[in-house]
Amino acid sequence: AQKVTQAQTEISVVEKEDVTLDCVYETRDTTYYLFWYKQPPSGELVFLIRRNSFDEQNEISGRYSWNFQKSTSSFNFTITASQVVDSAVYFCALSEADLKLGSARQLTFGSGTQLTVLP
Amino acid sequence: DTAVSQTPKYLVTQMGNDKSIKCEQNLGHDTMYWYKQDSKKFLKIMFSYNNKELIINETVPNRFSPKSPDKAHLNLHINSLELGDSAVYFCASSQEELGGSEAFFGQGTRLTVV
Repeated sequence: AQKVTQAQTEISVVEKEDVTLDCVYETRDTTYYLFWYKQPPSGELVFLIRRNSFDEQNEISGRYSWNFQKSTSSFNFTITASQVVDSAVYFCALSEADLKLGSARQLTFGSGTQLTVLP
Repeated sequence: DTAVSQTPKYLVTQMGNDKSIKCEQNLGHDTMYWYKQDSKKFLKIMFSYNNKELIINETVPNRFSPKSPDKAHLNLHINSLELGDSAVYFCASSQEELGGSEAFFGQGTRLTVV
């Protein structure tokens, strides 16, 4: 069975600080996908990134960066120079691939990290 | 245009009632889902459905049933509502390519059972 652990329940930082959100996953599959979603106070779930298990290259998108390390089963998310608008709950999620076309594969979510960025 | 839309956004109802939440996606995706988010923000899959397969999370009570009139819609019916059903319910869709596509979520339906 797959599992996603976000050990940090809540994090508070002051604006312009860098912050890293941790994500550790468990899966028996060799092919899988990892995701990060953001849930701002308004409640919607916003997709941030997808990474497949064969691509360990780190990714940067503006102030956001992701560090995927298969050796430690981690997919951490860093926000550089945080802003108040970054305040949200951030979810890491895992989906196992199925080689049989047509099979739906649901996301297993971590418990989320509430990030509060103070002005 | 809203990619995945749910109605209603808020639903307040009494115990024992039967209610439905509608979901529509205009992305042309072949797979749709229902997730439940509890008061602690924990998100859990309830159902995933495409034109070939309905997968039901075994922990979901059979009072909950998905109904898909067509590929773009997956409605959630709930019978005999209980207090514990109060939660936010999210519909989502994705284009399944070996399981790796990101899911697009609706804005959620906050269900309150009184």
